[in-house]
Amino acid sequence: RKEVEQDPGPFNVPEGATVAFNCTYSNSASQSFFWYRQDCRKEPKLLMSVYSSGNEDGRFTAQLNRASQYISLLIRDSKLSDSATYLCVVTRDTDKLIFGTGTRLQVFP
Amino acid sequence: AAGVIQSPRHLIKEKRETATLKCYPIPRHDTVYWYQQGPGQDPQFLISFYEKMQSDKGSIPDRFSAQQFSDYHSELNMSSLELGDSALYFCASSFLNTEAFFGQGTRLTVV
Repeated sequence: RKEVEQDPGPFNVPEGATVAFNCTYSNSASQSFFWYRQDCRKEPKLLMSVYSSGNEDGRFTAQLNRASQYISLLIRDSKLSDSATYLCVVTRDTDKLIFGTGTRLQVFP
Repeated sequence: AAGVIQSPRHLIKEKRETATLKCYPIPRHDTVYWYQQGPGQDPQFLISFYEKMQSDKGSIPDRFSAQQFSDYHSELNMSSLELGDSALYFCASSFLNTEAFFGQGTRLTVV
């Protein structure tokens, strides 16, 4: 079992839809949490950090539930340009980033 | 703003050859990570350095080695290349275990 798990999708949604991704992590010592976005054959790019209090950046909202060991990403009013793979990333005190397998999102017109 | 710079962007090598990948982190970042991403897979952690010392090691083959130099740039050395080493190799850097930023990657093809 991978330390960080995601539903690989793909999630196929129409423009304007709201879509949510979940990610679970197995190590309770995990300290920091991020969502990255990766376009095909490109580098992962930081989308947002995830805080216990939850945080929002425009159409994107991230939540962390430490008790249940999962994080979520909500995308409202989906755009065609949101089509990408969304990677859940967790770190511990050893510094390294631990990636989930990614969730593919395809937004269609 | 300066980003993580990797070179070369593309590399083609034959089996059993040697390759060296370079990474220049964002200025003042103290941690460098190396990741390998095969087709259709998530990035796999290879190795990391904190303040020029190796801080963690992942699934890095014994044929690979890496180091970080006094100017903080890092090099990943890969010897006795195999077909299965063909992948995207990403370098990322961060400061004080905060968000990490990735370079554009080196696409290695072993033929």
